[in-house]
Amino acid sequence: GAGVSQSPRYKVAKRGQDVALRCDPISGHVSLFWYQQALGQGPEFLTYFQNEAQLDKSGLPSDRFFAERPEGSVSTLKIQRTQQEDSAVYLCASSLFTGLSTDTQYFGPGTRLTVL
Amino acid sequence: AQSVTQLGSHVSVSEGALVLLRCNYSSSVPPYLFWYVQYPNQGLQLLLKYTTGATLVKGINGFEAEFKKSETSFHLTKPSAHMSDAAEYFCAVISNSGYSTLTFGKGTMLLVSP
Repeated sequence: GAGVSQSPRYKVAKRGQDVALRCDPISGHVSLFWYQQALGQGPEFLTYFQNEAQLDKSGLPSDRFFAERPEGSVSTLKIQRTQQEDSAVYLCASSLFTGLSTDTQYFGPGTRLTVL
Repeated sequence: AQSVTQLGSHVSVSEGALVLLRCNYSSSVPPYLFWYVQYPNQGLQLLLKYTTGATLVKGINGFEAEFKKSETSFHLTKPSAHMSDAAEYFCAVISNSGYSTLTFGKGTMLLVSP
C-alpha cells in the first residue's frame, strides 16, 4: 500500500509568514509523529498523536508551532510568524499501534522549509 | 534520558570493503535500538532494530548490528560495501516518554568509492 506522504515537498517562506505542512499517514495507523531535522543533524521529536489526541507536544520549540489531527488521519503542522531558525526538514512518521516501543515508525519524505 | 552518540560524521570506504558505523547509547533502562538509512531527498527507512532476545540483529540490504550491553554499543556492519549503500545512517533509541518517540544521533554519512 501507499506509504506516508507529505506536502508540499518544498516550501519557501518570507520571515513572518505563516505556513502549513501536511502529512498523510499510512491508512489505519493510529500513531503519528512529527520530527524536525536541521541541516546536518538528526531528526528531533516535535509532537505525537494517538488518533486525534495530541498526547505529547513537549518537543514543540515555541508557541508559534501548532499541530492538529482532527479526524485521526491527516495531520497538519502549522508554524506562525516563521523565523529563519525554523528552516529545516519536517518529517512525519506513522506507526500501526500505540504505546508499543518496538513498533516500526514509517517516515514520509519530509517537507523542506526555507525561511528567507 | 536516553541518548545516542554516533562516532564520525563521515565514513569513507571502498566498494567491497567492510562497513562499520559506530553507535553508543546512554539509557537508564534496557534500550530499544534502531538503525535508519536516509537517501537524498527521501524519508528515513528502517534497516534493523533491537528489542529483546538475540543480540545480533540482521536487517535489510545485508546490514547487521550487535547489541553489546557491557559496551553500551550498537554498531552497524556490512561485510562488503556496495555503491548503492552511500547514504546517511542514523542510530536511534526509544525515549522513555511512554509514546515510543525516537531520539536520534547526529548521523553518519557513508561514502563509497569505486
